[in-house]
Amino acid sequence: DAKTTQPNSMESNEEEPVHLPCNHSTISGTDYIHWYRQLPSQGPEYVIHGLTSNVNNRMASLAIAEDRKSSTLILHRATLRDAAVYYCILRDVGNYGQNFVFGPGTRLSVLP
Amino acid sequence: GAVVSQHPSRVICKSGTSVKIECRSLDFQATTMFWYRQFPKQSLMLMATSNEGSKATYEQGVEKDKFLINHASLTLSTLTVTSAHPEDSSFYICSASRDSGANVLTFGAGSRLTVL
Repeated sequence: DAKTTQPNSMESNEEEPVHLPCNHSTISGTDYIHWYRQLPSQGPEYVIHGLTSNVNNRMASLAIAEDRKSSTLILHRATLRDAAVYYCILRDVGNYGQNFVFGPGTRLSVLP
Repeated sequence: GAVVSQHPSRVICKSGTSVKIECRSLDFQATTMFWYRQFPKQSLMLMATSNEGSKATYEQGVEKDKFLINHASLTLSTLTVTSAHPEDSSFYICSASRDSGANVLTFGAGSRLTVL
């Protein structure tokens, strides 16, 4: 898997937007950018994914740089329930046997 | 949406016994499932890739005779921790992909194993 780098931790105030960055300078043309998050004592949960265009869903937005070497996960209004470790991972489309390699992720703390 | 069920969610066993953890894809078929282990305050570490109808592929340093993986059907993979020791106490997580589209993985809720 191409490598991704994320800040170890970030902090946000409740009800404020949060921008979680991810660098993936060695991304290939067939790599999707995936974001997952893991709440305490739970398995990772899918958040969002994208290839080239920005994406929105009910949980978050994904902004992808034009050169695709970086992306930003945007939580529009952080809640206490969003406190989790967020993982940015690249997945080669079509390579379904490819495993996910988890880096340390970004631990998001949300302050009331 | 895709759902992966993992059972049991918590298990406590005595040292020397074996423990089986099940991972089921409830609404899709998965030719490949993945097993991870996670120690406190650490990230997920891939243990093995489970392939339906064939032998699992283990990551370096993972003992295949200790962590037995069986993927007998397209919806079920099992991980058996044999002769468990306290150092095997960990959070075990499975995942599966629908084998289509953008290759999104769905994860189970995890199984916390405590070996006394």
